[in-house]
Amino acid sequence: KAGVTQTPRYLIKTRGQQVTLSCSPISGHRSVSWYQQTPGQGLQFLFEYFSETQRNKGNFPGRFSGRQFSNSRSEMNVSTLELGDSALYLCASSSGTGIDEQYFGPGTRLTVT
Amino acid sequence: GQQVMQIPQYQHVQEGEDFTTYCNSSTTLSNIQWYKQRPGGHPVFLIQLVKSGEVKKQKRLTFQFGEAKKNSSLHITATQTTDVGTYFCAGQTDSWGKLQFGAGTQVVVTP
Repeated sequence: KAGVTQTPRYLIKTRGQQVTLSCSPISGHRSVSWYQQTPGQGLQFLFEYFSETQRNKGNFPGRFSGRQFSNSRSEMNVSTLELGDSALYLCASSSGTGIDEQYFGPGTRLTVT
Repeated sequence: GQQVMQIPQYQHVQEGEDFTTYCNSSTTLSNIQWYKQRPGGHPVFLIQLVKSGEVKKQKRLTFQFGEAKKNSSLHITATQTTDVGTYFCAGQTDSWGKLQFGAGTQVVVTP
């Protein structure tokens, strides 16, 4: 099985711009979760999508949004970028049908200047 | 809200020594998972614990879930350089809830 893929892998944006990140889950997985990872902060949960619906949400401002398509692929959007948004954004997929492990993608490294 | 705390944040170990990292939740968990992230890599699933008092072993790694299902530990014996990385615990309060990660324990191994 192909693993979780994320595009792009690296991104440099300027403050005030917006960005869209993409995640393709493992075939057959219906749940996609997004995390922000920064040094010292660990993995902060952004949101989870299951069957095109947001099932869980973390404590991030409304500038962070996401969606999931019928093929389970997911996108995450950050509007009005701030310097503090610089981070590694990880997506993880799972079957979503109960307690199961998450498979992480390689991440997108976002740098905001 | 639910919080998962991990200690220590940083662990420096001599090769061959044992060490333990601890995970504590402010609320009762339905399950806890452990992940390992190598430097420059992404988190990789290690194990999942569901039952109160459960103990699972993977070679030199021993995972334990507390009786009250609010804490967990990972014990590594005879540490090797391949154990380098950051170990995260992550808990859920129910099967459909978000997976709350701890801040991780960064392990450095000296040969």
